[in-house]
Amino acid sequence: QVQLQESGPGLVKPSQTLSLTCTVSGGSISSGGYYWSWIRQHPGKDLEWIGYIYYSGSTYYNPSLKSRVTISVDTSKNQLALTLRSVTAADTAVYYCTRGVRSMDYFDSWGQGTLVTVSS
Amino acid sequence: DIQMTQSPSSLPASVGDRVTISCRASQSISTYLNWYQHKPGKAPKLLIYSASSLQSGVPSRFSGSGSGTDFTLTISSLQPEDFATYYCQQSYRTILFTFGPGTKVEIK
Repeated sequence: QVQLQESGPGLVKPSQTLSLTCTVSGGSISSGGYYWSWIRQHPGKDLEWIGYIYYSGSTYYNPSLKSRVTISVDTSKNQLALTLRSVTAADTAVYYCTRGVRSMDYFDSWGQGTLVTVSS
Repeated sequence: DIQMTQSPSSLPASVGDRVTISCRASQSISTYLNWYQHKPGKAPKLLIYSASSLQSGVPSRFSGSGSGTDFTLTISSLQPEDFATYYCQQSYRTILFTFGPGTKVEIK
């Protein structure tokens, strides 16, 4: 059973860069058939898909965030990373890393999430 | 974007009740619809994929139905561990996944 664990700073100042890491255990991030995604949930609001990356390195981003976001993988560490630039209070959310099943397009494994607050 | 709506937003229920949650898409998504259960502080859990397929390990009291724009998640006999928030998610447009706003199943 694959497990995902997000980590990173819980507080980021406005205009700075949010950087999170997701460590994958119980399975290889290089496995074909999956993609690795970040999803966030603003306090009391909907889940918002941020983007995903295939093990090959191909990426797809939510158009609303595309200009500020980068998702990458470090196969040597079996980790997924999220970088979100020029953050504002609107980026305050719980951030989840997930595994998506290619061809079925559902998210079958999720981390527990990490709360990131943007505040000075 | 494909907009997803859910009703009701809150659902008071008792153990043993049959619970039905609705999800509607702003355009036809065939059966590209998934359901998740989320409890506070825990990882969301996939329950149903492709509108009606039960994810491995999920109890059979959960079922899904629907196609096109209208979908339903049913819990046949609510158990104490089922009090949670439920989300639908469309996977028709894979370059922009979207979720419903959630339905919170609460103790009546």
